[in-house]
Amino acid sequence: AQRVTQPEKLLSVFKGAPVELKCNYSYSGSPELFWYVQYSRQRLQLLLRHISRESIKGFTADLNKGETSFHLKKPFAQEEDSAMYYCALSPLSSGSARQLTFGSGTQLTVLP
Amino acid sequence: DAGVIQSPRHEVTEMGQEVTLRCKPISGHNSLFWYRQTMMRGLELLIYFNNNVPIDDSGMPEDRFSAKMPNASFSTLKIQPSEPRDSAVYFCASISGTGGDYGYTFGSGTRLTVV
Repeated sequence: AQRVTQPEKLLSVFKGAPVELKCNYSYSGSPELFWYVQYSRQRLQLLLRHISRESIKGFTADLNKGETSFHLKKPFAQEEDSAMYYCALSPLSSGSARQLTFGSGTQLTVLP
Repeated sequence: DAGVIQSPRHEVTEMGQEVTLRCKPISGHNSLFWYRQTMMRGLELLIYFNNNVPIDDSGMPEDRFSAKMPNASFSTLKIQPSEPRDSAVYFCASISGTGGDYGYTFGSGTRLTVV
C-alpha cells in the first residue's frame, strides 16, 4: 500500500522568504510523485511531477529515494503562491489506471 | 477541450434526500476518478473507473454511495439517503494513461451541503 505524509497542515511565510513544503512517502515499488495546487475555491491543478524535472512558477521538487521525500521548494515566496498544496503518489507502472494517493495537504499563506 | 465538467457546482439538500453528482471527463480519457475533499480528511479516493468499468470502490464510505459510468463521456455519483456528514466538495478527475502525461485533470468540484 502507498502512503503520502504532509506533516504541516498550515505554513506561513513572509513574501520574499524561502518556502519548503514537506512531503514523505512510503511505497514498496517505484513511485511517480506529483505536486498539485488548489487556489481558493478552485480546482486542483498539476503543479509539477518529478519525472519531468521542471520548474513551474519558480517551484522545484527533487525526489530523494533514500529519504523517501519529495519536498516542494521556492526560493522567494510571492503572495499569489498562497494556496493549498497536495503531494501525491502514483505507482510507476504501465497498464491499468494509475491511482493517485494524496497527502492531507498543506495550506500555504504568504504574508505581505 | 472544456476540461472535466462537473455539475452542479453547488448543491444544498436536506438530510434524507437523494443527491446525484455528475461528471463529464475529457474526451479520450479512459480513466475516471471520484474524490471527496473535507477539511478533516483531505482528499479521499472514493471510486475509479477504467474504460467505464469500476475498478476499485473500496473508498466508498457506505452503501448509501453508488457510482456509475454508463458510457465513456458520463459518470454519476449518487448518495441516497444523504446525511449532514456527507457535506464536502466532490471532485471528479480523468486521465488518459496511454502514454506521455499521466497527470490527472480535475473538474471544478461540486460543493455539497446537507442540512
